[in-house]
Amino acid sequence: ILNVEQSPQSLHVQEGDSTNFTCSFPSSNFYALHWYRWETAKSPEALFVMTLNGDEKKKGRISATLNTKEGYSYLYIKGSQPEDSATYLCAFRPGNNRKLIWGLGTSLAVNP
Amino acid sequence: ETGVTQTPRHLVMGMTNKKSLKCEQHLGHNAMYWYKQSAKKPLELMFVYSLEERVENNSVPSRFSPECPNSSHLFLHLHTLQPEDSALYLCASSQDSGSSYEQYFGPGTRLTVT
Repeated sequence: ILNVEQSPQSLHVQEGDSTNFTCSFPSSNFYALHWYRWETAKSPEALFVMTLNGDEKKKGRISATLNTKEGYSYLYIKGSQPEDSATYLCAFRPGNNRKLIWGLGTSLAVNP
Repeated sequence: ETGVTQTPRHLVMGMTNKKSLKCEQHLGHNAMYWYKQSAKKPLELMFVYSLEERVENNSVPSRFSPECPNSSHLFLHLHTLQPEDSALYLCASSQDSGSSYEQYFGPGTRLTVT
């Protein structure tokens, strides 16, 4: 059974704090790791697709790293803002196909 | 309209009703997906259509019946559902080209079965 674990389950931070959370996935048969941002009542929005060990991607204040050998990815948010409040989902792709194995997400709340 | 749209956004139905969920993608993609998201569970893939043919059916009960009349539209027909089918149903699309299957999602339909 392929499992994707995300931690922490939820996080409350103050505006301006930097934060990070983890996605753990099987280290075998890795093809890609996806990060999505999902605001309440909106569509999940793709943040990053990561494919290479050691990959680092950045989008504004959000960045992500990937370690395929040990099976984890970190998502970092620098200087959190209230609009960053959302659930951050990761999904592991085992092989070159459409199937994604999803984590439960990390729910982030940024207090002004 | 842009992206992926879903209607209705909310649906309440009795166990004997028949209803349909609609998804439309405006991205020119060639694959479409239905996912189910239940409380405290990860997204569960239900069906995948590629070039209007069903290519994946993840052991979904027959009370859920998908239909993909063209590459832009996807339906999920519902009949004699159970209360445990209450969930958020998400539609997604992707352009299957080479190694890229990045999925773009709609906002979902919140279904309550009474």
